[in-house]
Amino acid sequence: AQSVTQLGSHVSVSEGALVLLRCNYSSSVPPYLFWYVQYPNQGLQLLLKYTSAATLVKGINGFEAEFKKSETSFHLTKPSAHMSDAAEYFCAVSSSGGSYIPTFGRGTSLIVHP
Amino acid sequence: GAVVSQHPSRVICKSGTSVKIECRSLDFQATTMFWYRQFPKQSLMLMATSNEGSKATYEQGVEKDKFLINHASLTLSTLTVTSAHPEDSSFYICSAPKPETGRGTDTQYFGPGTRLTVL
Repeated sequence: AQSVTQLGSHVSVSEGALVLLRCNYSSSVPPYLFWYVQYPNQGLQLLLKYTSAATLVKGINGFEAEFKKSETSFHLTKPSAHMSDAAEYFCAVSSSGGSYIPTFGRGTSLIVHP
Repeated sequence: GAVVSQHPSRVICKSGTSVKIECRSLDFQATTMFWYRQFPKQSLMLMATSNEGSKATYEQGVEKDKFLINHASLTLSTLTVTSAHPEDSSFYICSAPKPETGRGTDTQYFGPGTRLTVL
């Protein structure tokens, strides 16, 4: 069984400020972890993924995430927010040794203020 | 560029009609594709797994006679919403796993979604 908890349904930051979106997972086997971004009325776009290689994963658009096994976390960060980063962000987990169907968190809406 | 496409992106239909949504993998073959439904401000809900050459597998609570899935080829899956009603209005998203060489797992790539509005 696996699950994902995204803390905070909404995160609001100022343009240029640090972005931190939290994700904690639960998995009975070594997990594969993903962050997806969804812009209004669009599908999901893969930002980055962790697949048991380096624990610090760099993705597109300046985002990165760090896998911390001891904390069962995979938080998403970006040093400086842009207005264009405003979107819905989903964390997802899948099992490395079995089904690759990801289990999604409820999503976090990132709001960027000018 | 996009690796999974969906058509149409938006459809409005009258209650009682049927609507077909196509999902295509563009540069890889997918023996399995997935269909999700997303309500406003909510996460994705897996509806069914589409299997090429065999019957789809539906998640609990999803009516298989309402949501017909056909995986006609290794690059195409279709979802038909039969006798659509206003409560079927939603955002439907498909995904397909693309093999990642040497990584030991596939990565799900998602289509851009189809906005269905039933009047």
